[in-house]
Amino acid sequence: AQTVTQSQPEMSVQEAETVTLSCTYDTSESDYYLFWYKQPPSRQMILVIRQEAYKQQNATENRFSVNFQKAAKSFSLKISDSQLGDAAMYFCAYRSPPLSGTYKYIFGTGTRLKVLA
Amino acid sequence: DAGVIQSPRHEVTEMGQEVTLRCKPISGHDYLFWYRQTMMRGLELLIYFNNNVPIDDSGMPEDRFSAKMPNASFSTLKIQPSEPRDSAVYFCASSYRRDGPYEQYFGPGTRLTVT
Repeated sequence: AQTVTQSQPEMSVQEAETVTLSCTYDTSESDYYLFWYKQPPSRQMILVIRQEAYKQQNATENRFSVNFQKAAKSFSLKISDSQLGDAAMYFCAYRSPPLSGTYKYIFGTGTRLKVLA
Repeated sequence: DAGVIQSPRHEVTEMGQEVTLRCKPISGHDYLFWYRQTMMRGLELLIYFNNNVPIDDSGMPEDRFSAKMPNASFSTLKIQPSEPRDSAVYFCASSYRRDGPYEQYFGPGTRLTVT
């Protein structure tokens, strides 16, 4: 069974600095999808970025980028120029490919990010 | 698009009472998911539907929990009877199979408190 591990329960970053959140996963599949979701205090789950495993190029969305290391099964999120509004819980998620027959997402336990002014 | 709609946003009830949570997925989405989030257990998938049919309910904690999806635009999660340990935030999410990586779109959640 697939698992997702976020080993950092909490992280802090100074405003305008860069922070990296770690995520590792375990799977025997070769084709899958990975996501980072943000959950601010409003508790709304917001998609930050996604990565298709068959793509070697790391995904980027404005200040957010990932470091996808398929062989190492690692999927870290880098936030550049951190802003106060980035303070939230961040969840890493794994999804099997459609042909697997399952549409489940496997979520990590989350990393709480604090942004210091 | 209004996004995934959940009601109520907050529910406070007494132990033993029946609780019904409601969800309206994004129009056109054919997958619907119910999650429960607690500090202790994180985000847990309870059940998911495809085209209104339950596909996997292995996450439903016990028989007190039931979920239905009578049509493509409405789903309910019912707890009967409710217990204090059911206190949590319950999320509904929907996705569209043919929409690329099939990311899930979450509703705002229902915070349930059972006293």
